[in-house]
Amino acid sequence: DAGVIQSPRHEVTEMGQEVTLRCKPISGHNSLFWYRQTMMRGLELLIYFNNNVPIDDSGMPEDRFSAKMPNASFSTLKIQPSEPRDSAVYFCASRQGGNQPQHFGDGTRLSIL
Amino acid sequence: EDQVTQSPEALRLQEGESSSLNCSYTVSGLRGLFWYRQDPGKGPEFLFTLYSAGEEKEKERLKATLTKKESFLHITAPKPEDSATYLCAVQGPAGGYNKLIFGAGTRLAVHP
Repeated sequence: DAGVIQSPRHEVTEMGQEVTLRCKPISGHNSLFWYRQTMMRGLELLIYFNNNVPIDDSGMPEDRFSAKMPNASFSTLKIQPSEPRDSAVYFCASRQGGNQPQHFGDGTRLSIL
Repeated sequence: EDQVTQSPEALRLQEGESSSLNCSYTVSGLRGLFWYRQDPGKGPEFLFTLYSAGEEKEKERLKATLTKKESFLHITAPKPEDSATYLCAVQGPAGGYNKLIFGAGTRLAVHP
């Protein structure tokens, strides 16, 4: 079975540009999570969805960040406008049920110049 | 506040030299403790879930154990391919079944 698929794997862009990260969860999984990983703060949950509905976005750093899940097989995380401090690795994870483990994609390494 | 502390930060072992990684946690009502392995440039890969004190899980050279305050990941006779960062995460009632709180990880290097 295919795992969680993220694109692009790497993104380099200039400050102020819009950035869109994409995620395809594992088929049949009903929860989706977006994380950010940095050396300083480790893995932090940004937002999660249950059955395509955003449940908790308290981890989203500010209004420049937004996430959508238009259907069960696709989600986006958008940063507009981007800033250098947004540079990090962004991971998407999905899960089948309440106490099941989350399965992660290989991430998008984002660099904002 | 739910908290996870992993130690040591980094560990260097010779091939075949067994050791243990520690994960101490503070959570009001544990709903699962998860161990992941992360290789450079990759996402965390799920290893184990533990739910209650006294529970143990094994997979090849790895064995995870759980008490009411901490979990250990024992590595028996490690090989160079076991080199990775090992992450521990807890799931508690603050986030229900939905929020994992991760530790900073232990970077393991196994040398031949």
